[in-house]
Amino acid sequence: GQQVMQIPQYQHVQEGEDFTTYCNSSTTLSNIQWYKQRPGGHPVFLIQLVKSGEVKKQKRLTFQFGEAKKNSSLHITATQTTDVGTYFCAGKGSARQLTFGSGTQLTVLP
Amino acid sequence: IAGITQAPTSQILAAGRRMTLRCTQDMRHNAMYWYRQDLGLGLRLIHYSNTAGTTGKGEVPDGYSVSRANTDDFPLTLASAVPSQTSVYFCASSDGADTQYFGPGTRLTVL
Repeated sequence: GQQVMQIPQYQHVQEGEDFTTYCNSSTTLSNIQWYKQRPGGHPVFLIQLVKSGEVKKQKRLTFQFGEAKKNSSLHITATQTTDVGTYFCAGKGSARQLTFGSGTQLTVLP
Repeated sequence: IAGITQAPTSQILAAGRRMTLRCTQDMRHNAMYWYRQDLGLGLRLIHYSNTAGTTGKGEVPDGYSVSRANTDDFPLTLASAVPSQTSVYFCASSDGADTQYFGPGTRLTVL
């Protein structure tokens, strides 16, 4: 079945440093989504990418979808303490349902 | 507007007991989902429903059942709980654009 791998599992950064999480699918995806889960909270939708090579920005967050539509990345510039949480990618491939990656837990040290 | 509500917030359950986790949405979304979240494993799909009256199995359906009698409600039942079902359970619903909206979760401990 479809697998979505996400690395790293954990990342500790100093406030102001950049952060990147990577997502790789075993199959070609029709779209990929990113979610953020604050500690003790529930996942919240951030963005969806659909097109090959697509790049979208939300303030300090940059999302990319690979040319082959099998990988994606989320980059945060100049992290802030409010960025703390777990970031999940979720891909939709041949299966009709989303497959979530295992998430990257981000800690930002003040 | 509540979005998605789940009950209970948390529960400690003896092994072998039956338990139903409740999920209700007020967004009139057709699709609904149940996930379990375990440390290091992300969110794994248990069951889903694309529309009222239909259900389907996800990645980890064993030991769980669901029903979808109407658009708003999607209960998840553990017929005979086992310790490996200790987890945080999230219900979600989806609009036509695939975006999923999650409830606050139920933390279940099976002893």
